[in-house]
Amino acid sequence: EAGVVQSPRYKIIEKKQPVAFWCNPISGHNTLYWYLQNLGQGPELLIRYENEEAVDDSQLPKDRFSAERLKGVDSTLKIQPAELGDSAVYLCASSLAGALYNEQFFGPGTRLTVL
Amino acid sequence: DAKTTQPPSMDCAEGRAANLPCNHSTISGNEYVYWYRQIHSQGPQYIIHGLKNNETNEMASLIITEDRKSSTLILPHATLRDTAVYYCIVRGLYNFNKFYFGSGTKLNVKP
Repeated sequence: EAGVVQSPRYKIIEKKQPVAFWCNPISGHNTLYWYLQNLGQGPELLIRYENEEAVDDSQLPKDRFSAERLKGVDSTLKIQPAELGDSAVYLCASSLAGALYNEQFFGPGTRLTVL
Repeated sequence: DAKTTQPPSMDCAEGRAANLPCNHSTISGNEYVYWYRQIHSQGPQYIIHGLKNNETNEMASLIITEDRKSSTLILPHATLRDTAVYYCIVRGLYNFNKFYFGSGTKLNVKP
């Protein structure tokens, strides 16, 4: 079974440029998460989807970050414009909705460097 | 959700047991203890979880104290591949989709 797929794995951009990350969750997983991980720290939740609905986006900086999951399967996270402080790893995870123990499966992440 | 406290780093000799402690003194009765680990350049990986009883699976054992204020993850025979950051997470039953990872413990398994 394929795991969570993310692309690209690495991205280098200049500040003020836009950037997008793509995630394909494990087949059948209704819940999808985007996390941000700064160097030396644990992942921090940005947004959580149940199917196509964003049910928790309280930590998403909405002035420059946006996300979508139009058909309730794969998802895109966008930053526009990127700032130097956005340099981090962006992780996508998925899980079965309604599962009590809610094991989250993570992708390898996209490492973003903003110059 | 209750927060957790973990030592920033630990060393373990290859083949020996690695015991990783976690303090969660503000845990409430319906909150579970989860452990994940993150190997360099990979996403976090689920290890084990428990409520109040000790748990064991093919990867590790989880020992939760009777008052539930702390727990220990045990890797019985650590290998070099177990070198990773280990996160102890406390998650509420009714807020079960939100994890607070914290900074974790960097376990260095040495030959």
